Amino acid sequence: EVQLLESGGDSVQPGGSLRLSCAASGFSVSDLGMAWVRQAPGKGLEWVAVISAGGASIYYGDPVKGRFTISRDKSKNMLWLQMNSLRAEDAAIYYCATLLISAGGRWFDSWGQGTLVTVSS
Amino acid sequence: DIQMTQSPSSLSASVGDRVTISCRASQYISRYLNWYQQKPGKAPKVLIYAASNLQGGVPSRFSGGGSGTDFTLTISGLQPEDFATYYCQESYDTSYTFGQGTKLEI
Repeated sequence: EVQLLESGGDSVQPGGSLRLSCAASGFSVSDLGMAWVRQAPGKGLEWVAVISAGGASIYYGDPVKGRFTISRDKSKNMLWLQMNSLRAEDAAIYYCATLLISAGGRWFDSWGQGTLVTVSS
Repeated sequence: DIQMTQSPSSLSASVGDRVTISCRASQYISRYLNWYQQKPGKAPKVLIYAASNLQGGVPSRFSGGGSGTDFTLTISGLQPEDFATYYCQESYDTSYTFGQGTKLEI
Protein backbone atom coordinates (compact mmCIF):
# COMPACT_ATOMS: atom_id res chain seq x y z
CA GLU A 1 0.00 0.00 0.00
CA VAL A 2 1.33 3.41 -0.98
CA GLN A 3 1.71 5.75 1.97
CA LEU A 4 3.08 9.29 2.12
CA LEU A 5 3.87 11.16 5.32
CA GLU A 6 4.83 14.82 5.20
CA SER A 7 6.70 16.63 7.96
CA GLY A 8 8.71 19.77 8.51
CA GLY A 9 5.92 22.31 8.52
CA ASP A 10 6.52 25.17 10.93
CA SER A 11 6.02 28.86 11.54
CA VAL A 12 8.72 30.95 9.86
CA GLN A 13 9.34 34.64 9.34
CA PRO A 14 9.12 36.24 5.91
CA GLY A 15 12.39 35.80 4.07
CA GLY A 16 13.17 32.62 5.97
CA SER A 17 13.73 29.07 4.78
CA LEU A 18 12.16 25.70 5.51
CA ARG A 19 12.62 22.18 4.23
CA LEU A 20 9.62 19.89 3.98
CA SER A 21 10.00 16.12 3.95
CA CYS A 22 7.78 13.38 2.56
CA ALA A 23 8.49 9.82 3.66
CA ALA A 24 7.24 7.24 1.20
CA SER A 25 6.41 3.61 1.80
CA GLY A 26 4.96 0.88 -0.37
CA PHE A 27 6.92 2.01 -3.43
CA SER A 28 10.22 3.61 -4.42
CA VAL A 29 10.23 7.39 -4.93
CA SER A 30 12.54 6.88 -7.91
CA ASP A 31 10.00 4.66 -9.67
CA LEU A 32 7.24 7.26 -9.82
CA GLY A 33 6.93 10.93 -10.54
CA MET A 34 6.30 12.97 -7.41
CA ALA A 35 4.76 16.33 -6.69
CA TRP A 36 4.12 18.97 -4.07
CA VAL A 37 0.73 20.69 -3.98
CA ARG A 38 -0.32 23.40 -1.55
CA GLN A 39 -3.55 24.84 -0.24
CA ALA A 40 -3.75 28.16 1.53
CA PRO A 41 -6.30 28.31 4.38
CA GLY A 42 -9.79 28.34 2.93
CA LYS A 43 -8.46 28.44 -0.64
CA GLY A 44 -8.10 26.07 -3.57
CA LEU A 45 -5.36 23.71 -4.64
CA GLU A 46 -2.15 24.99 -6.26
CA TRP A 47 0.53 22.79 -7.74
CA VAL A 48 4.00 23.71 -6.55
CA ALA A 49 6.55 21.34 -8.10
CA VAL A 50 6.83 18.09 -9.98
CA ILE A 51 9.78 15.73 -10.49
CA SER A 52 9.61 12.99 -13.10
CA ALA A 53 10.20 9.32 -12.33
CA GLY A 54 13.70 9.40 -13.77
CA GLY A 55 14.43 12.79 -12.25
CA ALA A 56 15.36 14.26 -15.60
CA SER A 57 12.39 16.62 -15.63
CA ILE A 58 11.53 19.08 -12.90
CA TYR A 59 8.85 21.73 -13.15
CA TYR A 60 7.73 24.51 -10.83
CA GLY A 61 4.68 26.66 -10.56
CA ASP A 62 5.35 30.29 -11.45
CA PRO A 63 4.87 31.63 -7.88
CA VAL A 64 7.74 29.50 -6.53
CA LYS A 65 10.23 29.42 -9.40
CA GLY A 66 13.71 30.37 -8.27
CA ARG A 67 12.79 30.03 -4.58
CA PHE A 68 11.74 26.39 -4.10
CA THR A 69 13.63 23.21 -5.00
CA ILE A 70 12.17 19.71 -5.22
CA SER A 71 14.48 16.74 -4.74
CA ARG A 72 14.42 13.13 -3.64
CA ASP A 73 16.67 10.46 -2.18
CA LYS A 74 16.21 6.91 -3.36
CA SER A 75 18.23 5.42 -0.51
CA LYS A 76 16.04 7.09 2.11
CA ASN A 77 12.89 6.84 0.00
CA MET A 78 12.19 10.50 0.70
CA LEU A 79 10.97 13.52 -1.22
CA TRP A 80 11.91 17.04 -0.15
CA LEU A 81 10.88 20.59 -0.83
CA GLN A 82 13.43 23.25 0.02
CA MET A 83 11.67 26.59 0.40
CA ASN A 84 13.71 29.78 0.48
CA SER A 85 12.79 33.47 0.61
CA LEU A 86 9.41 32.60 2.05
CA ARG A 87 6.56 35.06 1.67
CA ALA A 88 3.26 35.49 3.45
CA GLU A 89 1.50 34.06 0.43
CA ASP A 90 3.44 30.80 0.77
CA ALA A 91 1.52 29.97 3.95
CA ALA A 92 -0.45 26.81 3.27
CA ILE A 93 -0.87 23.13 3.88
CA TYR A 94 1.68 21.36 1.70
CA TYR A 95 0.83 17.91 0.34
CA CYS A 96 3.13 15.48 -1.40
CA ALA A 97 1.63 13.20 -4.01
CA THR A 98 2.58 10.53 -6.50
CA LEU A 99 2.32 11.36 -10.19
CA LEU A 100 0.98 8.54 -12.33
CA ILE A 101 1.13 8.44 -16.11
CA SER A 102 -1.16 6.08 -18.01
CA ALA A 103 -4.04 5.88 -20.48
CA GLY A 104 -2.99 9.11 -22.09
CA GLY A 105 -3.14 11.02 -18.84
CA ARG A 106 -1.07 12.30 -15.94
CA TRP A 107 -2.56 12.74 -12.48
CA PHE A 108 -1.76 13.00 -8.80
CA ASP A 109 -2.74 9.64 -7.42
CA SER A 110 -1.82 9.05 -3.78
CA TRP A 111 -1.59 11.96 -1.35
CA GLY A 112 -0.16 12.49 2.10
CA GLN A 113 -2.07 14.15 4.92
CA GLY A 114 -0.24 17.46 4.55
CA THR A 115 2.01 19.63 6.69
CA LEU A 116 1.23 23.22 7.65
CA VAL A 117 3.54 26.11 6.85
CA THR A 118 2.88 29.48 8.45
CA VAL A 119 4.76 32.60 7.34
CA SER A 120 4.41 35.50 9.72
CA SER A 121 6.49 38.08 11.49
CA ASP B 1 0.10 29.58 -18.84
CA ILE B 2 -3.05 27.49 -18.98
CA GLN B 3 -5.94 28.79 -16.91
CA MET B 4 -8.72 26.50 -15.70
CA THR B 5 -12.19 27.89 -14.99
CA GLN B 6 -14.82 25.86 -13.21
CA SER B 7 -18.52 26.59 -13.09
CA PRO B 8 -20.40 26.97 -10.96
CA SER B 9 -18.27 27.94 -7.96
CA SER B 10 -20.91 26.52 -5.67
CA LEU B 11 -23.89 24.30 -6.15
CA SER B 12 -26.80 23.27 -3.94
CA ALA B 13 -28.39 19.91 -4.56
CA SER B 14 -30.27 17.11 -2.86
CA VAL B 15 -29.62 13.45 -2.33
CA GLY B 16 -30.60 11.59 -5.48
CA ASP B 17 -30.05 14.55 -7.81
CA ARG B 18 -27.91 14.49 -10.91
CA VAL B 19 -25.40 17.33 -11.06
CA THR B 20 -22.88 18.48 -13.63
CA ILE B 21 -19.79 20.60 -13.01
CA SER B 22 -18.04 22.24 -15.94
CA CYS B 23 -14.39 23.02 -16.45
CA ARG B 24 -12.94 25.09 -19.27
CA ALA B 25 -9.28 25.35 -20.22
CA SER B 26 -7.87 28.57 -21.65
CA GLN B 27 -6.19 26.57 -24.43
CA TYR B 28 -6.31 23.12 -25.99
CA ILE B 29 -5.38 20.35 -23.53
CA SER B 30 -6.57 17.25 -25.43
CA ARG B 31 -7.86 14.90 -22.72
CA TYR B 32 -5.29 15.80 -20.07
CA LEU B 33 -7.94 16.65 -17.52
CA ASN B 34 -8.44 15.20 -14.05
CA TRP B 35 -11.11 15.59 -11.40
CA TYR B 36 -10.53 15.47 -7.63
CA GLN B 37 -12.83 15.42 -4.64
CA GLN B 38 -11.83 17.04 -1.37
CA LYS B 39 -13.66 16.85 1.94
CA PRO B 40 -12.96 19.28 4.81
CA GLY B 41 -9.69 18.56 6.58
CA LYS B 42 -8.75 15.81 4.16
CA ALA B 43 -6.35 15.45 1.25
CA PRO B 44 -7.83 15.48 -2.25
CA LYS B 45 -8.75 12.19 -3.91
CA VAL B 46 -8.64 11.56 -7.63
CA LEU B 47 -11.98 10.55 -9.16
CA ILE B 48 -11.43 10.78 -12.91
CA TYR B 49 -8.20 10.92 -14.92
CA ALA B 50 -7.60 11.55 -18.62
CA ALA B 51 -11.04 13.19 -18.89
CA SER B 52 -13.19 10.07 -18.61
CA ASN B 53 -11.30 7.26 -16.87
CA LEU B 54 -12.78 6.31 -13.52
CA GLN B 55 -10.18 5.76 -10.82
CA GLY B 56 -10.33 2.34 -9.19
CA GLY B 57 -12.70 2.21 -6.24
CA VAL B 58 -14.65 5.29 -7.31
CA PRO B 59 -18.41 4.68 -7.62
CA SER B 60 -19.79 4.47 -11.13
CA ARG B 61 -22.20 7.34 -10.44
CA PHE B 62 -19.23 9.59 -11.19
CA SER B 63 -18.46 10.18 -14.85
CA GLY B 64 -16.33 12.57 -16.84
CA GLY B 65 -16.46 13.80 -20.39
CA GLY B 66 -15.09 16.28 -22.84
CA SER B 67 -11.92 16.98 -24.75
CA GLY B 68 -10.04 19.93 -26.12
CA THR B 69 -11.05 22.82 -23.87
CA ASP B 70 -14.42 21.87 -22.37
CA PHE B 71 -14.99 19.16 -19.80
CA THR B 72 -17.67 17.98 -17.41
CA LEU B 73 -17.96 15.97 -14.24
CA THR B 74 -21.37 14.40 -13.69
CA ILE B 75 -22.62 12.76 -10.53
CA SER B 76 -25.76 10.71 -11.11
CA GLY B 77 -27.75 10.02 -7.98
CA LEU B 78 -26.05 12.13 -5.33
CA GLN B 79 -25.23 10.37 -2.10
CA PRO B 80 -24.67 12.07 1.27
CA GLU B 81 -20.94 11.36 1.08
CA ASP B 82 -20.66 13.24 -2.24
CA PHE B 83 -21.10 16.66 -0.67
CA ALA B 84 -17.59 18.05 -0.97
CA THR B 85 -15.47 20.38 -3.08
CA TYR B 86 -14.49 19.28 -6.57
CA TYR B 87 -11.47 20.44 -8.56
CA CYS B 88 -10.50 19.96 -12.15
CA GLN B 89 -6.82 19.89 -13.11
CA GLU B 90 -5.00 20.06 -16.43
CA SER B 91 -1.81 18.09 -16.99
CA TYR B 92 -1.24 18.81 -20.67
CA ASP B 93 2.34 20.00 -20.87
CA THR B 94 4.64 21.00 -18.04
CA SER B 95 2.01 22.48 -15.77
CA TYR B 96 -0.64 20.96 -13.56
CA THR B 97 -3.03 23.84 -12.98
CA PHE B 98 -6.17 23.36 -10.88
CA GLY B 99 -9.49 25.03 -11.33
CA GLN B 100 -10.75 27.19 -8.48
CA GLY B 101 -13.05 24.50 -7.16
CA THR B 102 -16.79 23.85 -6.97
CA LYS B 103 -18.35 23.42 -3.56
CA LEU B 104 -21.27 21.01 -3.66
CA GLU B 105 -23.64 21.62 -0.77
CA ILE B 106 -26.83 20.07 0.43
